[in-house]
Amino acid sequence: KAGVTQTPRYLIKTRGQQVTLSCSPISGHRSVSWYQQTPGQGLQFLFEYFSETQRNKGNFPGRFSGRQFSNSRSEMNVSTLELGDSALYLCASSLEGDRGQKAFFGQGTRLTVV
Amino acid sequence: AQKITQTQPGMFVQEKEAVTLDCTYDTSDPSYGLFWYKQPSSGEMIFLIYQGSYDQQNATEGRYSLNFQKARKSANLVISASQLGDSAMYFCAMREGRGNNDMRFGAGTRLTVKP
Repeated sequence: KAGVTQTPRYLIKTRGQQVTLSCSPISGHRSVSWYQQTPGQGLQFLFEYFSETQRNKGNFPGRFSGRQFSNSRSEMNVSTLELGDSALYLCASSLEGDRGQKAFFGQGTRLTVV
Repeated sequence: AQKITQTQPGMFVQEKEAVTLDCTYDTSDPSYGLFWYKQPSSGEMIFLIYQGSYDQQNATEGRYSLNFQKARKSANLVISASQLGDSAMYFCAMREGRGNNDMRFGAGTRLTVKP
């Protein structure tokens, strides 16, 4: 069974640009969550999607948005990039009804804003 | 609000010895789950072990075990017979409720296994 796949693995963008990151969950997993990881703030929850609906949202500005497609694949978008958006963005999928709803992560997309 | 505390920024252990990584948590929800993840330098978060708040026994997964002390709100990870490949960041995490809430992470502990 394939794991969570995130593309691209690395990105370099300029301040003010926008970026779209993609996540394909494990087959059968309908819940997809996004996290931002930085050395200063650690791992912070961005949002969670389930069956194409945003179910939970973290404390991030509106520049951060996401969506989920009918095949459970998810994208997140960051508009008007700032230097502070440089981070590792991790996507996780989980199986509804699984004991504890364990999250399985992809390898992440490392975004650098210059 | 839920909170996860990992007080050890870094730990060293000799190869083949056991090591305990500390984690305390704070929640008022009686139903919650506790998780440990390993993050090697490649960046991927690898699920290690899960403990539910109503579980009577401590969770074990191979060389990993979770020392769950509910009254003290602690969920320490024990790694037995450390291997060089165990060198990584380790994160404790918690999810409240029945699973529809987001997972919150501690700051992590960097474990270095010495040969």
